[in-house]
Amino acid sequence: KNQVEQSPQSLIILEGKNCTLQCNYTVSPFSNLRWYKQDTGRGPVSLTIMTFSENTKSNGRYTATLDADTKQSSLHITASQLSDSASYICVVSARSKSYIPTFGRGTSLIVHP
Amino acid sequence: DAGITQSPRHKVTETGTPVTLRCHQTENHRYMYWYRQDPGHGLRLIHYSYGVKDTDKGEVSDGYSVSRSKTEDFLLTLESATSSQTSVYFCAISEGTGGVQPQHFGDGTRLSIL
Repeated sequence: KNQVEQSPQSLIILEGKNCTLQCNYTVSPFSNLRWYKQDTGRGPVSLTIMTFSENTKSNGRYTATLDADTKQSSLHITASQLSDSASYICVVSARSKSYIPTFGRGTSLIVHP
Repeated sequence: DAGITQSPRHKVTETGTPVTLRCHQTENHRYMYWYRQDPGHGLRLIHYSYGVKDTDKGEVSDGYSVSRSKTEDFLLTLESATSSQTSVYFCAISEGTGGVQPQHFGDGTRLSIL
């Protein structure tokens, strides 16, 4: 069964600090991995998308990495801001007829001033 | 922001009543999806559509039906609502599947079934 596991479940950091969120997956055959940000009461918003041949992708202060051999990804947030407080969701799609994605449970990040 | 509107945004209803949630898009995207989000679970796919009148089941489709008579509208129906269907429901759209086309999500419908 395809699975996506994220860690930590929750994280509290001070404004201005960096942090790294982890994602491990067993989805096969792999097609692509996406990181989403979900603010409270809103729908998820795409941050980055990586295919098999990509091992790093940046979007402003967000940098995602992918190791397809170990089936791990990380999302690094640099110089955190209060607005980074949200849930970060790792989503992996398998190569199939419909490419239905498998969602992780998310990491809840709280940034304190 | 992608043009996705979910209605209603909040609904409280009683067990056994029928409920219909609507997703409307202005992006002319081919693919539309319904998910539910519950504590302790990732988003789970209920049904999806790959074109007008073309739909397929997702991971948690029991108790739900869908219809898509126009490109812009995707309806989710709970024929006889149960308390286990209390959840936040998200609609998503995408231009394609597979490659790098992201899914764009609406802001959800919070459904409570008493």
